[in-house]
Amino acid sequence: GQNIDQPTEMTATEGAIVQINCTYQTSGFNGLFWYQQHAGEAPTFLSYNVLDGLEEKGRFSSFLSRSKGYSYLLLKELQMKDSASYLCAVDNAGNMLTFGGGTRLMVKP
Amino acid sequence: GAVVSQHPSRVICKSGTSVKIECRSLDFQATTMFWYRQFPKQSLMLMATSNEGSKATYEQGVEKDKFLINHASLTLSTLTVTSAHPEDSSFYICSARDLRDTGPYGYTFGSGTRLTVV
Repeated sequence: GQNIDQPTEMTATEGAIVQINCTYQTSGFNGLFWYQQHAGEAPTFLSYNVLDGLEEKGRFSSFLSRSKGYSYLLLKELQMKDSASYLCAVDNAGNMLTFGGGTRLMVKP
Repeated sequence: GAVVSQHPSRVICKSGTSVKIECRSLDFQATTMFWYRQFPKQSLMLMATSNEGSKATYEQGVEKDKFLINHASLTLSTLTVTSAHPEDSSFYICSARDLRDTGPYGYTFGSGTRLTVV
């Protein structure tokens, strides 16, 4: 079966750094996605990792270790607008995405 | 980039009636469409996968006779919630995939539909 775990909620301070972890066990693997979703809106693509290592894109970075079934999303210089849900999703090579439960991040002043 | 248009964005219907939600891929051919449901403070749960011209494949626990999916063309898929009940109230999101695009941007989401059944 497919199992993707991430923390339910996190709180961080404006200007700080936060790391959101995701662990997965899937029957196949063709890449891991991170999405940002504000309430009532569709998910917005943030990053994609298919090889081990760190992918950096501005204030957002994503890391993948395939051997450990582990990824994290790193958000730097947090802003109030970063308060949202962050979804980890795995393409299990079946040409479909399986989502984790999502992490609700609250950024406080 | 690829765009998926989803309509309506919000709909309120009476219990027992049917509601149709449309998803259109505007600038690419959606060989595969995915329909998700999302309850408050929860993640996206896949309901069904449809390939153009074929019957949809439903996830376990999703009633295919209640959630009718039609993917008659490469640019349009519809989800019809039949005999809607208050427990069907949710946020429904479609996602389209062009299988000829093997890159990470191959999944494109619609803007979602907030369904409220009263």
